[in-house]
Amino acid sequence: AQKVTQAQTEISVVEKEDVTLDCVYETRDTTYYLFWYKQPPSGELVFLIRRNSFDEQNEISGRYSWNFQKSTSSFNFTITASQVVDSAVYFCALIITSGTYKYIFGTGTRLKVLA
Amino acid sequence: DSGVTQTPKHLITATGQRVTLRCSPRSGDLSVYWYQQSLDQGLQFLIQYYNGEERAKGNILERFSAQQFPDLHSELNLSSLELGDSALYFCASSPAPGQGPDTQYFGPGTRLTVL
Repeated sequence: AQKVTQAQTEISVVEKEDVTLDCVYETRDTTYYLFWYKQPPSGELVFLIRRNSFDEQNEISGRYSWNFQKSTSSFNFTITASQVVDSAVYFCALIITSGTYKYIFGTGTRLKVLA
Repeated sequence: DSGVTQTPKHLITATGQRVTLRCSPRSGDLSVYWYQQSLDQGLQFLIQYYNGEERAKGNILERFSAQQFPDLHSELNLSSLELGDSALYFCASSPAPGQGPDTQYFGPGTRLTVL
């Protein structure tokens, strides 16, 4: 079965703290992609990152970094020096690409960054 | 502003009715994706079109259909509407597909309310 688990329903941090959002996935497919999306309180969706199963290199983009570990089936997202504007719901998704694409979403983690 | 436009922003209709949601991708983008976000089901991928052809199909109901026109705009048709179809419908676009699912740019969404 394919599944994405975002065990943290809600996280609250104080501004400037670092925070890690966990994403654990399950699949037997060897070829897949992992995405992170952000949904701020305004409601729009923002695509953050795309990673394929063959590329375990970690990625850093400004204050954002992603740690992909196939050994633990995790694709965690860290925000360094969080800001109030980071307050949002963050979704992790697994995309299976064998045959027709299949998207499996996590339930999201609501991050509140307090001033 | 992502460059993706969706109309209408809000739509209120009654059960049993049919509605059409419209999406115009970013200039130059050939792929269009449709997603549904509801309180019950969370975020779901519905369907993807690339240059007029269906490329990936997700959890799209038989009552729903989509198409992408020669000018690359896309329409999502929802018929025999039920209360459970009330949701935010997002459109996203991406450039010509490379290997695997692409970085996606989201529109502001259409909020559908079925009464």
